[in-house]
Amino acid sequence: AQTVTQSQPEMSVQEAETVTLSCTYDTSESDYYLFWYKQPPSRQMILVIRQEAYKQQNATENRFSVNFQKAAKSFSLKISDSQLGDAAMYFCAYRRVINTGTASKLTFGTGTRLQVTL
Amino acid sequence: NAGVTQTPKFQVLKTGQSMTLQCAQDMNHEYMSWYRQDPGMGLRLIHYSVGAGITDQGEVPNGYNVSRSTTEDFPLRLLSAAPSQTSVYFCASSHTGLAGSYEQYFGPGTRLTVT
Repeated sequence: AQTVTQSQPEMSVQEAETVTLSCTYDTSESDYYLFWYKQPPSRQMILVIRQEAYKQQNATENRFSVNFQKAAKSFSLKISDSQLGDAAMYFCAYRRVINTGTASKLTFGTGTRLQVTL
Repeated sequence: NAGVTQTPKFQVLKTGQSMTLQCAQDMNHEYMSWYRQDPGMGLRLIHYSVGAGITDQGEVPNGYNVSRSTTEDFPLRLLSAAPSQTSVYFCASSHTGLAGSYEQYFGPGTRLTVT
């Protein structure tokens, strides 16, 4: 079974600075998807960024980028120019790539709470 | 599109009561699922469905029932609520298939307290 580990329960960053959230995972499969979700105090789960394991290039979405190290099974999220609105819980998630409905299941890490200070 | 909707937003139950959490989506997604979120444990899969009439268990199915009579709706039933079921419940949906990492869309969540 796949597992996802987020070893930082809480992180803090000053506004305009850069912060990196860590995520490691365990899988025996060679192809899969990885995601970062943001959960603000409203509880809504918002997709921040996704990475296909077969792609060597790291995904980027505006101020958000990932450092995907497939051999190390590491998938960290970098937030640049942090803003107050980035304060939230961040979850790393894993999904298999198999053409069956079961492949749609997401396995989540336990989350990292990010505080943004002035 | 309304996306994924969940009702109610909040609910308090007494131990032993039953209730149904409603989930609906208007995106014609094949896949629907229920997660529970507990402090320090992330989101854990309860049940999921890959289409009308097809359901299966996830990681933590005990104490919950589901059915999928239509593509749009995927209700979660608590037959006899227990304090251990106090949690925030999320419904999610997506397309399935190999062609692409289909995004899962989440509902706003239901906060359930069992006393």
